[in-house]
Amino acid sequence: IAGITQAPTSQILAAGRRMTLRCTQDMRHNAMYWYRQDLGLGLRLIHYSNTAGTTGKGEVPDGYSVSRANTDDFPLTLASAVPSQTSVYFCASTPTSGSTNEQFFGPGTRLTVL
Amino acid sequence: GQNIDQPTEMTATEGAIVQINCTYQTSGFNGLFWYQQHAGEAPTFLSYNVLDGLEEKGRFSSFLSRSKGYSYLLLKELQMKDSASYLCAVMDSNYQLIWGAGTKLIIKP
Repeated sequence: IAGITQAPTSQILAAGRRMTLRCTQDMRHNAMYWYRQDLGLGLRLIHYSNTAGTTGKGEVPDGYSVSRANTDDFPLTLASAVPSQTSVYFCASTPTSGSTNEQFFGPGTRLTVL
Repeated sequence: GQNIDQPTEMTATEGAIVQINCTYQTSGFNGLFWYQQHAGEAPTFLSYNVLDGLEEKGRFSSFLSRSKGYSYLLLKELQMKDSASYLCAVMDSNYQLIWGAGTKLIIKP
């Protein structure tokens, strides 16, 4: 693995189903982020984690949950998907929270909820 | 509230120069980032400004005026591969990035 990987690449999901988007990085970055990107809108922060074992809510956290059991993995779970969660989801990381380092992005997951 | 404004779309000619503007109003300021995003791909870092002035990096330059809440990205000697969206993002007082909606740049031969 080099950088950040996300899985799946794309997914079509029935409303009401549970779904976990996976994110793994091998850069030993402490801080990780989940964004959604919708047409005409900027990237919006869903949840973040400053270090393993801690998580925080971003701008649009409702309907999503995250966990950070270790440094490398930061999964995002939709407990009961709704059509408004149709979006492209990006995971990102940076070496340290509270710093001005650039964020590195995974390739994204395109999710469609019907 | 926090707000980042940038034009939705711009068109330029191969070999020319284009300037993409970004204005912002945020709670605190810890720097401004520009990212490039090709269609269907992830954003990639281009530049970071925290002090007023111009930062040059090859064909790309980024300018910041903190007093005016204004930045621009200048792309010189445009190439077809520069066709992409350019995202402006400001790091607020909590070190979170606030993102603009992006400017889609179309390069014509």
